[in-house]
Amino acid sequence: GENVEQHPSTLSVQEGDSAVIKCTYSDSASNYFPWYKQELGKRPQLIIDIRSNVGEKKDQRIAVTLNKTAKHFSLHITETQPEDSAVYFCAASTNFGNEKLTFGTGTRLTIIP
Amino acid sequence: NAGVTQTPKFQVLKTGQSMTLQCAQDMNHEYMSWYRQDPGMGLRLIHYSVGAGITDQGEVPNGYNVSRSTTEDFPLRLLSAAPSQTSVYFCASSRRPVGVGEQYFGPGTRLTVT
Repeated sequence: GENVEQHPSTLSVQEGDSAVIKCTYSDSASNYFPWYKQELGKRPQLIIDIRSNVGEKKDQRIAVTLNKTAKHFSLHITETQPEDSAVYFCAASTNFGNEKLTFGTGTRLTIIP
Repeated sequence: NAGVTQTPKFQVLKTGQSMTLQCAQDMNHEYMSWYRQDPGMGLRLIHYSVGAGITDQGEVPNGYNVSRSTTEDFPLRLLSAAPSQTSVYFCASSRRPVGVGEQYFGPGTRLTVT
């Protein structure tokens, strides 16, 4: 089955700097890659996603890039703010056959004021 | 819309006891799933369902049963609780197939097995 690895497990950045979180996946058939944000004690919520026919997607300060050849994708947060502090999870799935969403182990992002 | 709801929010069980975690959604989503979240382990899929009457195993199904008699409800049963099942459990739902739309998570159930 699919295996998703996520790095780093913890990340601290100064407010205003950029943060990058990277994930790799094993199943070349995977074609959907969402990112979820989970604040302390809350449920995970989708912040951005990308499909395999697109190399990059941007939504205000958040962007995701996908390299299908290398089987890795990354989350980029620019101009970080204190409210960006949370745990971020990447995930991968296919939308045919095996409908499972496999998550990475998470990155705890801390924004230092 | 209430979205995805879960009950209870907290539960303490003794080893060997059984219980059912409830999950319901009012968005007419075909796809529902159960995850457990443990420190450093991310979200691991326990069971999932692609529609009423259809269920399948995820990554960590042992010790858990599910059923899907209606589109709205997807209960998770712990057959004989063990300390290793201490975790936070999340139910989620989405349209099909996974990837067409966002997966919506419930608020979670924090389970402690002593």
